[in-house]
Amino acid sequence: GAVVSQHPSWVICKSGTSVKIECRSLDFQATTMFWYRQFPKQSLMLMATSNEGSKATYEQGVEKDKFLINHASLTLSTLTVTSAHPEDSSFYICSAREPRLAGGDNEQFFGPGTRLTVL
Amino acid sequence: QQQVKQSPQSLIVQKGGISIINCAYENTAFDYFPWYQQFPGKGPALLIAIRPDVSEKKEGRFTISFNKSAKQFSLHIMDSQPGDSATYFCAACVTPAQFYFGTGTSLTVIP
Repeated sequence: GAVVSQHPSWVICKSGTSVKIECRSLDFQATTMFWYRQFPKQSLMLMATSNEGSKATYEQGVEKDKFLINHASLTLSTLTVTSAHPEDSSFYICSAREPRLAGGDNEQFFGPGTRLTVL
Repeated sequence: QQQVKQSPQSLIVQKGGISIINCAYENTAFDYFPWYQQFPGKGPALLIAIRPDVSEKKEGRFTISFNKSAKQFSLHIMDSQPGDSATYFCAACVTPAQFYFGTGTSLTVIP
């Protein structure tokens, strides 16, 4: 149990285009999902927290108009990188939390990540 | 400001040896401390986690030692194997808020 998937796993796009990344909780309902960005050999940087049916909460310095997050259902959250540029190239990872599934602990289940390369 | 400080940045251990990674924090409100293992090109996977009311937790070859007064916790990997070679992250949070991750430790276990 507690499987989180991401699609696509790797995407290459031209500068100026928009890219949508999907994050799904496959066998549980995720009340909260998180989006992280990770540069090579660096730690995970939290971009935003999304709760089903409400607006995402963005971390300081993250452009909400550039990184659009939608959490329309308890099993799906999407991150859209709008007008992507080479500096947006990174590894994007989502995670999902369902406290009851985690036995009451504050556990997050991570997806496998999506590598975005903007040419 | 780095909420969780992790060391060392990289670690090389012989097969069969003990790998030790340390983390320190300042926020005494943190109440959950997980460790994650990440292989290249993959998302982090939970290894083991501890709450501050426990000083030690062991699962297989992995042990967390927790020192509440020193605000430090560490991961010990016993009988380290080449398959353990990965990047390890510690994290901390105030339930149910966001996780703060350490900067990561790249572990290499040489045969």
